[in-house]
Amino acid sequence: EVQLVETGGGLIQPGGSLSLSCAASGFIVRNYDMSWVRQTPEKGLEWVSIFYSSDTTSYADSVRGRFTISRDNSKNTLDLQMIGLRAEDTAVYYCVRSSRGCMGSSGCLGDWGQGTVVTVSS
Amino acid sequence: DIQMTQSPSSLSASVGHRITITCRASQSIGIYLNWYQQKPGKAPKLLIYTTFNLQVGVPSRFSGSGSGTDFTLTIDSLQPEDFATYFCQQSHTLPWTFGLGTSVEI
Repeated sequence: EVQLVETGGGLIQPGGSLSLSCAASGFIVRNYDMSWVRQTPEKGLEWVSIFYSSDTTSYADSVRGRFTISRDNSKNTLDLQMIGLRAEDTAVYYCVRSSRGCMGSSGCLGDWGQGTVVTVSS
Repeated sequence: DIQMTQSPSSLSASVGHRITITCRASQSIGIYLNWYQQKPGKAPKLLIYTTFNLQVGVPSRFSGSGSGTDFTLTIDSLQPEDFATYFCQQSHTLPWTFGLGTSVEI
C-alpha cells in the first residue's frame, strides 16, 4: 500500500526557515516523479515543486530561489527546505506522487499524504 | 500561467440527481485535465485523469469529457459519499494549476 507521511510543519516567524520531510512506503521514491502541493482557503491548491525520477527539478515562480526540493534515496523520503518564509507561504503542504499513464505528463497527482501545516506569522 | 475557471463555485443537489461541473482553461490544454475530490480535513483524491480516464476504484457514475479549453465532470445518481469539493487541474504545462473548486452540498 502506498503511504506518504509529511512531517516538519509548524509556526515560524517571517524570514525564518523550515524543512519538511515526506516519508514514503509501499514504493521506491526515486522511481517516481514527486511533488509538493500546498493549499490555503484563500488561494486554493497551488503546485510548488517537483523532483523528477530523472533527478531534475522545477519550481513555481512564487518559491523559486527560496525553496529547495530534494530526495534521500537511502531514507526513501522527499524533502522541502524553505528559507525566507513569508506570510503568503502559510498553507497545508502535501507530498504527492505522480501517477503513470498520464500521457507523458507528470501532472496526474495520484497519491497524496495527509499534509502538514506551515504557519508563517510573528 | 494557465488559469482554470470552475463553475459553479457551489451547488445544492439531492441524492440520486445528476450534476455537472464545468472547467475552462485560459488556453488550450488538449485533454490534459484532471479532476479531484476533497472532503473536509482530507487530502484531495484523484478521480479522473486526462479528461475521461477513471482512476482505479472510482465508481462509474463519475465521468469526464471535453477537450481544448472546456471540460465537464458529471456525476450520475449522486450518492451521499459524493458530497465534497471538486477541483479541476491542468497537467499540460508547468506550473500545473487548479480551479478554485466546486462545493457539492445537500
